[in-house]
Amino acid sequence: KNEVEQSPQNLTAQEGEFITINCSYSVGISALHWLQQHPGGGIVSLFMLSSGKKKHGRLIATINIQEKHSSLHITASHPRDSAVYICAVYGGSQGNLIFGKGTKLSVKP
Amino acid sequence: KAGVTQTPRYLIKTRGQQVTLSCSPISGHRSVSWYQQTPGQGLQFLFEYFSETQRNKGNFPGRFSGRQFSNSRSEMNVSTLELGDSALYLCASTLRPSYEQYFGPGTRLTVT
Repeated sequence: KNEVEQSPQNLTAQEGEFITINCSYSVGISALHWLQQHPGGGIVSLFMLSSGKKKHGRLIATINIQEKHSSLHITASHPRDSAVYICAVYGGSQGNLIFGKGTKLSVKP
Repeated sequence: KAGVTQTPRYLIKTRGQQVTLSCSPISGHRSVSWYQQTPGQGLQFLFEYFSETQRNKGNFPGRFSGRQFSNSRSEMNVSTLELGDSALYLCASTLRPSYEQYFGPGTRLTVT
């Protein structure tokens, strides 16, 4: 079993829909990253959080440390949001980043 | 501030050769981490350097090595390349370990 699990693996939405991507982890962590990767490979850090909730524009990230679960929400989705979203945690025995397999999001106009 | 830069961006090598990839972190960042991304395994941690010292190492064979210079620039080396080493290699920099990471564009290595 992977230490970081994401769901769903693939997600297709219509423009304007509210989107939720989930991340569950099984190790103790100090912080959690949400990353966005566009075709071509570049990775952008969206959020880093260790408790509560953060919001940036149409993106919201939440984390529940007790339940070892985080969610990434996208409000009013747009085709430019189409990308792979990756959850990663600072944790495990070495304290380095451990990655989920990613969620591929496609937003149709 | 300039972002994280990686050179070269693309590379084609032959099995058995060795390769050196370079990463220049954001100015002021002292921690550099390297990752390998493949379609099958996803993103995997290779190693992390902080102030010229290797702080952590992932579960990769000894053919994968790295170093960090006094100006925080980092290099990673892969010797005796195998077909399975074909991947996107990403580096990321932070002010210090466990802070938010900023990723470079990656080097796409193809081994034939």
